[in-house]
Amino acid sequence: DQQVKQNSPSLSVQEGRISILNCDYTNSMFDYFLWYKKYPAEGPTFLISISSIKDKNEDGRFTVFLNKSAKHLSLHIVPSQPGDSAVYFCAANSGGSNYKLTFGKGTLLTVNP
Amino acid sequence: GAGVSQSPSNKVTEKGKDVELRCDPISGHTALYWYRQRLGQGLEFLIYFQGNSAPDKSGLPSDRFSAERTGESVSTLTIQRTQQEDSAVYLCASSLKRSGGELFFGEGSRLTVL
Repeated sequence: DQQVKQNSPSLSVQEGRISILNCDYTNSMFDYFLWYKKYPAEGPTFLISISSIKDKNEDGRFTVFLNKSAKHLSLHIVPSQPGDSAVYFCAANSGGSNYKLTFGKGTLLTVNP
Repeated sequence: GAGVSQSPSNKVTEKGKDVELRCDPISGHTALYWYRQRLGQGLEFLIYFQGNSAPDKSGLPSDRFSAERTGESVSTLTIQRTQQEDSAVYLCASSLKRSGGELFFGEGSRLTVL
């Protein structure tokens, strides 16, 4: 039973355009959501997060949107840069806990110059 | 170093052998986590250590898996009698307590069981 789903295994965009990565979840107890970015042969690095009390969080070129009624969140990157090419993981947890993050399978983003 | 350090980076072993994976967290981080990522899958939580509290072992997939941590320092994940399905990248992460879910991951240990 996959509680965090990233249905697109890959996404390709042109440099300068917007990248939109999607994530769906099934567990209504989740109240904190995170995006991690992973380059090959490196560990994942934290990118941005959002609490369920918000519907949007922005950090520079990265914005995360949360739609609780749809149990859906998305990560927008604008403008996309070739250095953004990586695997992006959506993760969630509940009760404010820092651990037991539930991760999606990831989406490979390729930004073409 | 400044980051989470894991060793070995790669380990190839034969089915039935025991393996030990080591994690050295960021200095001052009281929380330490082990996750694994099997091919084509997301990261799976294995175990969590927080200071001197009893670890949360609820993610360990079988009794062949165990982990130890001495104080707030190095942790060792041990897999006994390895099976082919144990092949994965084992990722260690650390965080400050109540850091809002911001885990700092190491580069992982890739385990291949033949």
